[in-house]
Amino acid sequence: AQSVAQPEDQVNVAEGNPLTVKCTYSVSGNPYLFWYVQYPNRGLQFLLKYITGDNLVKGSYGFEAEFNKSQTSFHLKKPSALVSDSALYFCAVFLLDTGRRALTFGSGTRLQVQP
Amino acid sequence: SAVISQKPSRDICQRGTSLTIQCQVDSQVTMMFWYRQQPGQSLTLIATANQGSEATYESGFVIDKFPISRPNLTFSTLTVSNMSPEDSSIYLCSVEFQGRSYEQYFGPGTRLTVT
Repeated sequence: AQSVAQPEDQVNVAEGNPLTVKCTYSVSGNPYLFWYVQYPNRGLQFLLKYITGDNLVKGSYGFEAEFNKSQTSFHLKKPSALVSDSALYFCAVFLLDTGRRALTFGSGTRLQVQP
Repeated sequence: SAVISQKPSRDICQRGTSLTIQCQVDSQVTMMFWYRQQPGQSLTLIATANQGSEATYESGFVIDKFPISRPNLTFSTLTVSNMSPEDSSIYLCSVEFQGRSYEQYFGPGTRLTVT
């Protein structure tokens, strides 16, 4: 079985400060990892993915994420937070080995950036 | 960029009735999926919509309750049958585009309230 955990329900950060949203995963093979963002009253938007290769992946809106196999983590980061980054963030995983594209989502982390 | 639309955007329905949700994409996609997001919770995959054949359902979801059609490469419907208040959720379709493997892009969602 595959699963992802987002240990923080909410993260608060001041505008201009770096932000980190945590994600850990549990799979029995090679994971494909994703971050999505959900703004209020808007759909889910793809931010970035890790498939293979460089452990640091860059995505939309200045976000990046670091894949750490030994710690089974895929934390989302941004060097300088904006108030407009305030949203709900989801980590997701699937195992290509299974032949299925079913995304398993974490519980979500609400990011609040204070001016 | 491609547009994914869903109809209706929201609806309020009485228990025991059925609602059909449409998902339309303005370019060809390789895969289509249906997810449910219950109030305050994460996303759960209902099924993969297969073109011209029966959908592939996840554990806990059955065809009699959530019949799905996908008559062509750009259109799919999800019906929520014999609704109860527990079916109140946001229903989202997602797609994978050719050339952007493993990235799922989501429609705006259909907010369903069952009274």
